[in-house]
Amino acid sequence: NAGVTQTPKFQVLKTGQSMTLQCAQDMNHEYMSWYRQDPGMGLRLIHYSVGAGITDQGEVPNGYNVSRSTTEDFPLRLLSAAPSQTSVYFCASSLTWVGNSPLHFGNGTRLTVT
Amino acid sequence: AQSVTQLGSHVSVSEGALVLLRCNYSSSVPPYLFWYVQYPNQGLQLLLKYTTGATLVKGINGFEAEFKKSETSFHLTKPSAHMSDAAEYFCAVTYNTNAGKSTFGDGTTLTVKP
Repeated sequence: NAGVTQTPKFQVLKTGQSMTLQCAQDMNHEYMSWYRQDPGMGLRLIHYSVGAGITDQGEVPNGYNVSRSTTEDFPLRLLSAAPSQTSVYFCASSLTWVGNSPLHFGNGTRLTVT
Repeated sequence: AQSVTQLGSHVSVSEGALVLLRCNYSSSVPPYLFWYVQYPNQGLQLLLKYTTGATLVKGINGFEAEFKKSETSFHLTKPSAHMSDAAEYFCAVTYNTNAGKSTFGDGTTLTVKP
């Protein structure tokens, strides 16, 4: 099992550009989510999905879109990049959306917006 | 709203000394509690979790944590620090009532001195 795979590992964008961060898991997990990590602020939830075809907003959804057409994939789209979106992005999945199911994380995408 | 507070953004201990990382949560419903560890340039990994049952939970790498409902705390301890324990540690809380969304503390960076 590869677990949770994120691509790319690093990305530099100019303000206003768009891009998609890829996330795939091979564990048949029901629940997938995107977090951003900023120094001193822990992890903040951007969007999440409790199953294919179902997505919802987290704490900081503005400027991001998601879709979940398959169980395995959960891409995160930046519509028009802004310097405030410079961050490390983590995709995480868990077996179910039930609260006692721990998260499995990818290794992150480090995004810089200039 | 649920929240998690980790006291001390940086903790430094000597090798062989006790490690104590503090976590308090705010909640009006029973929580599920997790500790994750993050090594440099990696995603988070589960250390241990409390769901139900025994309040003293043992995890990987010799860490344990005790759920104290009366104090709304879930502090992480290890009797004897090792150099390899140097990392960032995150406390997280979820509930069955919020579709499994995890709320993370701001993290505590543990430094281990030789």
